[in-house]
Amino acid sequence: GQSLEQPSEVTAVEGAIVQINCTYQTSGFYGLSWYQQHDGGAPTFLSYNGLDGLEETGRFSSFLSRSDSYGYLLLQELQMKDSASYFCAVRDKSNYQLIWGAGTKLIIKP
Amino acid sequence: GAVVSQHPSRVICKSGTSVKIECRSLDFQATTMFWYRQFPKQSLMLMATSNEGSKATYEQGVEKDKFLINHASLTLSTLTVTSAHPEDSSFYICSARDRGENEQFFGPGTRLTVL
Repeated sequence: GQSLEQPSEVTAVEGAIVQINCTYQTSGFYGLSWYQQHDGGAPTFLSYNGLDGLEETGRFSSFLSRSDSYGYLLLQELQMKDSASYFCAVRDKSNYQLIWGAGTKLIIKP
Repeated sequence: GAVVSQHPSRVICKSGTSVKIECRSLDFQATTMFWYRQFPKQSLMLMATSNEGSKATYEQGVEKDKFLINHASLTLSTLTVTSAHPEDSSFYICSARDRGENEQFFGPGTRLTVL
């Protein structure tokens, strides 16, 4: 089966850098995605890693290493509005469904 | 990016009644739509996957007679919660994907409260 693990909560300071890790056990997937979800809202797509390496989109970067079954989301120059839950997800090759991690609540302090 | 709308955004109903939630893709063809449920402080749980014109595929533990899904067109899917009970109170989110695309686009969600 597929499973993803990520920390339940991370705390950081405004302006700092934070990394949210995601480790997974999966028999086959197309890529690793990251989503942001604010309280009461729906998930919004942040990034996708189909290949190993780093993908950069503004203040956010995401990394994937298939050999290590590991990925991370890096958020730079943290702003208070980045306080949200962040979910990693993989797309299962067998049925094309997204398998979700439990989510990491990012708390940002002034 | 593509837009998915969901209606209503919030609904309160009495126990035993049925509630219909609509999900529309506004600027693309949603060949596949997904319905998720999310309880407070938990991850999204996939309820069912539907392809346009086909019957929905339900996840284990999700009652297909209770959660009726219709995906009659490439831009509209509906979820009907029949005979709703307080334990059905949750945040229901639809998501849509066009054929061959990796990205899924999410609707804003519907918060259902059953009294």
